[in-house]
Amino acid sequence: EAQVTQNPRYLITVTGKKLTVTCSQNMNHEYMSWYRQDPGLGLRQIYYSMNVEVTDKGDVPEGYKVSRKEKRNFPLILESPSPNQTSLYFCASRSYSGANVLTFGAGSRLTVL
Amino acid sequence: AQSVTQLGSHVSVSEGALVLLRCNYSSSVPPYLFWYVQYPNQGLQLLLKYTSAATLVKGINGFEAEFKKSETSFHLTKPSAHMSDAAEYFCAVSSNSGYALNFGKGTSLLVTP
Repeated sequence: EAQVTQNPRYLITVTGKKLTVTCSQNMNHEYMSWYRQDPGLGLRQIYYSMNVEVTDKGDVPEGYKVSRKEKRNFPLILESPSPNQTSLYFCASRSYSGANVLTFGAGSRLTVL
Repeated sequence: AQSVTQLGSHVSVSEGALVLLRCNYSSSVPPYLFWYVQYPNQGLQLLLKYTSAATLVKGINGFEAEFKKSETSFHLTKPSAHMSDAAEYFCAVSSNSGYALNFGKGTSLLVTP
């Protein structure tokens, strides 16, 4: 089944403890992206990757890092999480063919205490 | 920059009534427009997309949307609401780069018996 898989789905952590949210897609998509969803703000893009070893900042990149060493994986790294990073995170991917349709993962709910 | 505005953060309808969720876009170029739905504790699922082929777009689950350039609108409708339609709905437009999507803040649809 074609899908985007995120892990963990739920995580509670404490301020300053580094964490990584993994994202993997099995559709051979070139483009991958991370969004965060907050009440009343909709989805905002954190980082995106056009292809392997090519990443760039989205609208809200502060406090996050990403890497794209393999085409299928695009982990989101929080080096020193803070409470304002408590949010629902979505990974998405798309192919460059077709009409810009993003396929989303199921989401990762992160709470930073 | 391409953007969308969703009018009404919460909409309540009775089961069997018409569903109308409003979205207005701002775009300097002919836009690609999308509606996504998010059911509780799930990721975003594509409902329908407009890519300039036809102004009336039919999607899944009986939803449709009409692109009106003169009104810069892309409202989502469904003739008869079902309880299972209760969800968060997001309108989105392709960004300037053409790769990312810019999302509206979402509309939560409540369907009452």
